Amino acid sequence: GDSVTQMEGPVTLSEEAFLTINCTYTATGYPSLFWYVQYPGEGLQLLLKATKADDKGSNKGFEATYRKETTSFHLEKGSVQVSDSAVYFCALWDTGGFKTIFGAGTRLFVKA
Amino acid sequence: DAGVIQSPRHEVTEMGQEVTLRCKPISGHDYLFWYRQTMMRGLELLIYFNNNVPIDDSGMPEDRFSAKMPNASFSTLKIQPSEPRDSAVYFCASSSGTATGELFFGEGSRLTVL
Repeated sequence: GDSVTQMEGPVTLSEEAFLTINCTYTATGYPSLFWYVQYPGEGLQLLLKATKADDKGSNKGFEATYRKETTSFHLEKGSVQVSDSAVYFCALWDTGGFKTIFGAGTRLFVKA
Repeated sequence: DAGVIQSPRHEVTEMGQEVTLRCKPISGHDYLFWYRQTMMRGLELLIYFNNNVPIDDSGMPEDRFSAKMPNASFSTLKIQPSEPRDSAVYFCASSSGTATGELFFGEGSRLTVL
């Protein structure tokens, strides 16, 4: 079945460092791909999305490109801030069963 | 616009007691999902509804768990009897069923079973 694998955390960075969180997926069809973010004590919220190959999703300085050839959707940010500390979830939307499949989540700590 | 509303935010109960968690989805959304989040198992889909009808409950762990959606603006997740291993954060999410599948989550209900 469909699945999402993302890098284990926690990831600890200093403020203004470059961030990459790797995500790869397995899917039989052509899923939509998402990054969700969960701040402490809150629910998940959509950070960015891409619906087809080579699409780039972007929001709040974060970017991710839908790479069909490598089945990847890596999250990047050029300069992280303390306020970016959160858990980040990569996810795919299976249009066939209308299920969203989440990765395990990667916790990011950003130090001042 | 109000988001997904869940209650209670925190629930502490004793083993064997009945627990009812409630969810009000975003108006106009026709899909509703219940997830459970734990450190050990991450985010698990328990059940989802489309137009108030349960579509897939394969993630419901046991018969102790049940979920209903009596109308488009309300859903419940019930655990009876509760056990310590049910301690988790339970999230409700809704979706409009558009082509992109974006989910809108509530803030969660943190359940502790002693």
